Amino acid sequence: EAGVTQFPSHSVIEKGQTVTLRCDPISGHDNLYWYRRVMGKEIKFLLHFVKESKQDESGMPNNRFLAERTGGTYSTLKVQPAELEDSGVYFCASGIYSGNTIYFGEGSWLTVV
Amino acid sequence: AQKITQTQPGMFVQEKEAVTLDCTYDTSDPSYGLFWYKQPSSGEMIFLIYQGSYDQQNATEGRYSLNFQKARKSANLVISASQLGDSAMYFCAMSPYGSGNTGKLIFGQGTTLQVKP
Repeated sequence: EAGVTQFPSHSVIEKGQTVTLRCDPISGHDNLYWYRRVMGKEIKFLLHFVKESKQDESGMPNNRFLAERTGGTYSTLKVQPAELEDSGVYFCASGIYSGNTIYFGEGSWLTVV
Repeated sequence: AQKITQTQPGMFVQEKEAVTLDCTYDTSDPSYGLFWYKQPSSGEMIFLIYQGSYDQQNATEGRYSLNFQKARKSANLVISASQLGDSAMYFCAMSPYGSGNTGKLIFGQGTTLQVKP
């Protein structure tokens, strides 16, 4: 069974550009989460989808970040325009609604220069 | 406020010995879940073990066990018979919604474990 897949694994963009990160959750997982870890800080929750609906987006830092999950399958996280402080690793995770385990992807490493 | 604290930035252990990684948590919710994840140098976050706040017994998964002391609000990870491949960063995390709905996770700062041959 395939795990959580994230693309791209690494991205280097200039300040002001746009980047879109993609996450494919484990098949059958209704819950999808985005987290990020910026340099020297803890891993922080960004938002939570249940199928295609945003259940909790309290961790989104500002309106430069837009997450979507069309059809309740894969999800994208767009940063537009990117700022230097957005550099870090963005993790996607998924889980079964009634389960007690969340599985993470390998992360998308974003560097804004 | 809900918080996870890992007080050990780095730890060393001799191969084949056991090691305990500390984790304390703070929450006023009666129902919560506690997780440990491993992050090797390759970057992926690997789920290790889960403990629900109402679970009567300490969770175990192979060489991993979670020493859950509810009154002290601690959830230490014990790795028995350390292997070189255990060298990684380890994160303790808490879900405020217990075992029925994992909700969002709150992470600690992480502990880097180095296993010496």
